[in-house]
Amino acid sequence: GESVGLHLPTLSVQEGDNSIINCAYSNSASDYFIWYKQESGKGPQFIIDIRSNMDKRQGQRVTVLLNKTVKHLSLQIAATQPGDSAVYFCAENFAGRRALTFGSGTRLQVQP
Amino acid sequence: SAVISQKPSRDICQRGTSLTIQCQVDSQVTMMFWYRQQPGQSLTLIATANQGSEATYESGFVIDKFPISRPNLTFSTLTVSNMSPEDSSIYLCSVGIAVGEKLFFGSGTQLSVL
Repeated sequence: GESVGLHLPTLSVQEGDNSIINCAYSNSASDYFIWYKQESGKGPQFIIDIRSNMDKRQGQRVTVLLNKTVKHLSLQIAATQPGDSAVYFCAENFAGRRALTFGSGTRLQVQP
Repeated sequence: SAVISQKPSRDICQRGTSLTIQCQVDSQVTMMFWYRQQPGQSLTLIATANQGSEATYESGFVIDKFPISRPNLTFSTLTVSNMSPEDSSIYLCSVGIAVGEKLFFGSGTQLSVL
């Protein structure tokens, strides 16, 4: 897992600050979006999802915002903690397709 | 949710050899997929593993290079054949419970080809 995130864009934040990770998608037919967190040596873990009939969804310390007009997705993490350090991927799907298409990913580094 | 076990977790192989990766799920699932994650990259879908029929491959991936088996609803294998250093990647098994929903992932197989 050490090779995950080596060449990805990196967002560095201080512990306790809020983090915003962005993702652009290209398929206007996509109607389901997911954020995954991938820690070193592990597979992606589901964080939160949103369907295209919504523009905002909140979970525990996380919020996903969807702007269909500009095909943009963001993940907001409140009060970022060292355990949030990982690579974050957005993924999309559209009706009838079973597999997900993944975005390029962002590495989040939380400084204590 | 689903618990997915992948074996091996990592391996170092010589070029020209083949490696078979196993994926075991704790429940019966219709949809199983294999993804590749090259160093520093995102996940790319290799193929959909169909139970009882041949796998469906994405553009750029072929059966001769990545043969897949799906003998039942809880198990699949992916073989990386005639390996070269360019095949060094993390290979991930994933499953879906319902169409159009999230996927669950195994921990992956870290493959290094010398």
